[in-house]
Amino acid sequence: DAGVIQSPRHEVTEMGQEVTLRCKPISGHNSLFWYRQTMMRGLELLIYFNNNVPIDDSGMPEDRFSAKMPNASFSTLKIQPSEPRDSAVYFCASSLLAYSNRVAEQYFGPGTRLTVT
Amino acid sequence: GQQVMQIPQYQHVQEGEDFTTYCNSSTTLSNIQWYKQRPGGHPVFLIQLVKSGEVKKQKRLTFQFGEAKKNSSLHITATQTTDVGTYFCALCSGGGADGLTFGKGTHLIIQP
Repeated sequence: DAGVIQSPRHEVTEMGQEVTLRCKPISGHNSLFWYRQTMMRGLELLIYFNNNVPIDDSGMPEDRFSAKMPNASFSTLKIQPSEPRDSAVYFCASSLLAYSNRVAEQYFGPGTRLTVT
Repeated sequence: GQQVMQIPQYQHVQEGEDFTTYCNSSTTLSNIQWYKQRPGGHPVFLIQLVKSGEVKKQKRLTFQFGEAKKNSSLHITATQTTDVGTYFCALCSGGGADGLTFGKGTHLIIQP
């Protein structure tokens, strides 16, 4: 089975441009997460969805960041306008919640390395 | 929200030596997960611990959850070059499929 798919794998853009990152979760998974990884701040949760509904976006750094999940097989993370400090690796992860009292393991995609110049 | 302190940040070992990384929390944890990230790769789930005092083994890897559920450790016996990477503990403050809070990770560097 295919794992979590992210595109693009690398993105280089100029400050002020709009950036859209894409994610396809594992088929059948009902939760999707967006994380950002930098050397300084480590792995940070940005937002997550359960059954396509955004549950917690408190990790989204600013209004410049937005995420959508229009259906169970696709999600986007958009940055508009982008800034150099947004440079990071952005990971999408998905999981299947089978039991209400058990935390599900998360499956990460390969990530998108974003560089904003 | 809950946070977890992970130490050490870096660990250099000779191939064949043992390695241990620790995660500590000031509050009681309901569960803890461990992930491994190879250089240039993405985090990969290793294991989840939920019970007080729980010990789980995966070949040369031993995972422990403290009796008070405030700390956890990952021990690798006789490291190999394939063990190189960053090991993260992660906790979920809520239940079910909530997002994870990751420790800063321990970078394992193995010298042949």
